[in-house]
Amino acid sequence: QVTLKESGPVLVKPTQTLTLTCTFSGFSLSSGMRVSWIRQPPGKALEWLARIDWDDDKFYSTSLKTRLTISKDTSKNQVVLSMTNMDPVDTATFYCARTSNFHYYFDVWGRGTLVTVSS
Amino acid sequence: SYVLTQPPSVSVAPGQAARITCGGDNIGSKSVHWYQQRPGQAPVLVVYDDGARPSGIPERFSGSNSGNTATLTINRVEAGDEADYFCQVGDYSTEQVFGGGTKLTVL
Repeated sequence: QVTLKESGPVLVKPTQTLTLTCTFSGFSLSSGMRVSWIRQPPGKALEWLARIDWDDDKFYSTSLKTRLTISKDTSKNQVVLSMTNMDPVDTATFYCARTSNFHYYFDVWGRGTLVTVSS
Repeated sequence: SYVLTQPPSVSVAPGQAARITCGGDNIGSKSVHWYQQRPGQAPVLVVYDDGARPSGIPERFSGSNSGNTATLTINRVEAGDEADYFCQVGDYSTEQVFGGGTKLTVL
C-alpha cells in the first residue's frame, strides 16, 4: 500500500523558515517516480509548490522559487521542503503527493498538514 | 504562467449529469487531470490524461478535452459526489498548474 505522510510544525512565526517532511512507504523514489509539495489556503484552491524527481532534478513554482528548497533522502524514504520568510498569507494545508511512471498527475496524496503563520 | 479557469460552482439534481469545465489556452494540446476533494479530506484523482479512470473510480466519471476547454462529466450524480473538483495540467519542465476549483452541489 502506497502512503505519504506530512510532518512539521503546526505554528510558525512570521519571517521564520518552515521545514516540512514527507515520509512515504510502499514505493521508492526510483526511476520514474516524483514527489511534489502542494498547498491549499483555507477555502481556496490548490497551489503546486515544488517537485523532486528520482534523478534529483528539482522544479519550483516560478512565483515562490526564491523561497523554496526541496530535497530527498532516499535511504529514509523522505522528501523535505523548506520555505523561508513565512508570512500569515502562507497559512495553508500542505500536501505531498506522488507522481509515477513518468506521468505528471498526482496519483497518491498525503492527508496534509495545516500550518498556521502567526505571531 | 498558464491559467486554468473553472466555474466556481455547479449544481445538479440527483440522477442527472454534471459537467464541470476547465478552460485554458489550447488546453486540447495538453493532458488534463481531475481531482475530487471532499470537505476536510485530501484530493483524490478521478480522471487522468483527459479521460482515463484510476482503479476504483466509478465509470460514471469521464473526461474530454478539445480546443480551449476540458470537461469532467459525472453521470447519474449521487449525493456522495458533492465535493470540490480541480483540474490540473503540467509536464516535465513546466509548472504543474491547478484550476481554481468548482464546488459541485447536489440539490
